[in-house]
Amino acid sequence: AQKVTQAQTEISVVEKEDVTLDCVYETRDTTYYLFWYKQPPSGELVFLIRRNSFDEQNEISGRYSWNFQKSTSSFNFTITASQVVDSAVYFCALSGRSSNTGKLIFGQGTTLQVKP
Amino acid sequence: DAGVIQSPRHEVTEMGQEVTLRCKPISGHDYLFWYRQTMMRGLELLIYFNNNVPIDDSGMPEDRFSAKMPNASFSTLKIQPSEPRDSAVYFCASSFVGTGTEAFFGQGTRLTVV
Repeated sequence: AQKVTQAQTEISVVEKEDVTLDCVYETRDTTYYLFWYKQPPSGELVFLIRRNSFDEQNEISGRYSWNFQKSTSSFNFTITASQVVDSAVYFCALSGRSSNTGKLIFGQGTTLQVKP
Repeated sequence: DAGVIQSPRHEVTEMGQEVTLRCKPISGHDYLFWYRQTMMRGLELLIYFNNNVPIDDSGMPEDRFSAKMPNASFSTLKIQPSEPRDSAVYFCASSFVGTGTEAFFGQGTRLTVV
């Protein structure tokens, strides 16, 4: 079975603080893909990043960075110098090669509130 | 490209009525997905199509739900008859390839059944 766990339900920080959103996944597939999506208050789901299971390089995009560690089955997301506009619900998702469909298994989401 | 387009954005209907949600995927994408988001169950896949053919509808909750994709640029999700527990946000998403590529989501349809 495939599963994604985002243990942090809600996080509240003050602007300019760094914040890390945790994601732990379970899968029996040896090839799989991990994703992060952002859902701002307006409601749409915005794609942020995709990572393949065979590529453990961390990635940085502006204030965003992602730490993928297969040894701990984690794919954590860090926002540096958070801004009010970062306030949203963030979802981690998994797609396993065995499904061969692109079906996404989502975590329950972490609500991030950045206060001015 | 305009992205995935869903209509309507909001729908309020009375219990027992038929509801039809519409989706236009991104041109050139071969996969189309319908997801439902609720507080209790989070985001869950209802059904997906590949090249207009329904491949897996195991997530469709009941026979009251049906989905069609008559052509590459249009899909519908129908609920008949609707019930209050169907109230949720319904997302349509599309992707170029199935496994391993990101899906792009529409803005969702917020359905309220009273």
